[in-house]
Amino acid sequence: EVQLVESGGGLVQPGRSLKLSCAASGFAFSDYAMAWVRQAPKKGLEWVATIVYDGGSTYYRDSVKGRFTISRDHAKSTLYLQMDSLRSEDTATYYCARHSGATRVFDYWGRGVMVTVSS
Amino acid sequence: IQLTQSPSLLSASVGDRVTLSCKGSQNINNYLAWYQQKLGEAPKLLIYKTNSLQTGIPSRFSGSGSGADYTLTISSLHSEDLATYYCYQYYNGLSFGSGTKLEIK
Repeated sequence: EVQLVESGGGLVQPGRSLKLSCAASGFAFSDYAMAWVRQAPKKGLEWVATIVYDGGSTYYRDSVKGRFTISRDHAKSTLYLQMDSLRSEDTATYYCARHSGATRVFDYWGRGVMVTVSS
Repeated sequence: IQLTQSPSLLSASVGDRVTLSCKGSQNINNYLAWYQQKLGEAPKLLIYKTNSLQTGIPSRFSGSGSGADYTLTISSLHSEDLATYYCYQYYNGLSFGSGTKLEIK
C-alpha cells in the first residue's frame, strides 16, 4: 500500500525557515517524480514544486522560486521541502504527492502538514 | 493556464445526475484531471486525461470535454459524494481550478 507521511510543520515567524519531510513507502520511490501541493485555509489547491525521479531536475511555482528547495533522499525514501524567507501568504496545509508514472497527474497524496507563518 | 469552475456551489439530491464544469483560459488538449476532496482529507484522483477513470473509482463518475471546456458528471448522486471537486490541467504548467462544493439536499 502506497503511503506518504508528512512531518515538520508548525508555527514560524515571517522571514524564518522550516523544512518539511515526507516519508514514502509501499512503492519504488526512486522510480517516481514527487511534488508538494499546498492549500491555504479555506482556499483551493496550489502546486508548489516538483522533483523528477532521479532528482536531476526541479520545478517551482514563481511565488516560491529562490525561497523553497525541493529535494529527495532515495536511501531514506524521503522527500523534502526546505522553505526559507517564509511569508504570511505561505501559510497552508502542505501535501506531499506522487506523480503518476510518466504523467504530471498526482495519484497518491499524504494527509498533509500545517505550516503557519505569523509573528 | 487559468481554470474557471462552475458553479462554485451546487446543491443536489441523492439520485440526481450532476454536472460540474471547468473552463480553461486556453486549449488544454485533454490534459485535464478531476479530484475529489472531502472535508479534512487529502484530495483523491477521480479522472485523468479527460475521461480515464482512476482505479477503484465508482463508474458513476465520468469525464468529458475537449479544447478548453471540460465536464465531470456523477450519473446518480450518492450521499458520500459530498465534497469539493477540483479540476486540474497539466498541459501547460500545472494549475487547479477554484473548486465546486457539492452539497447534498
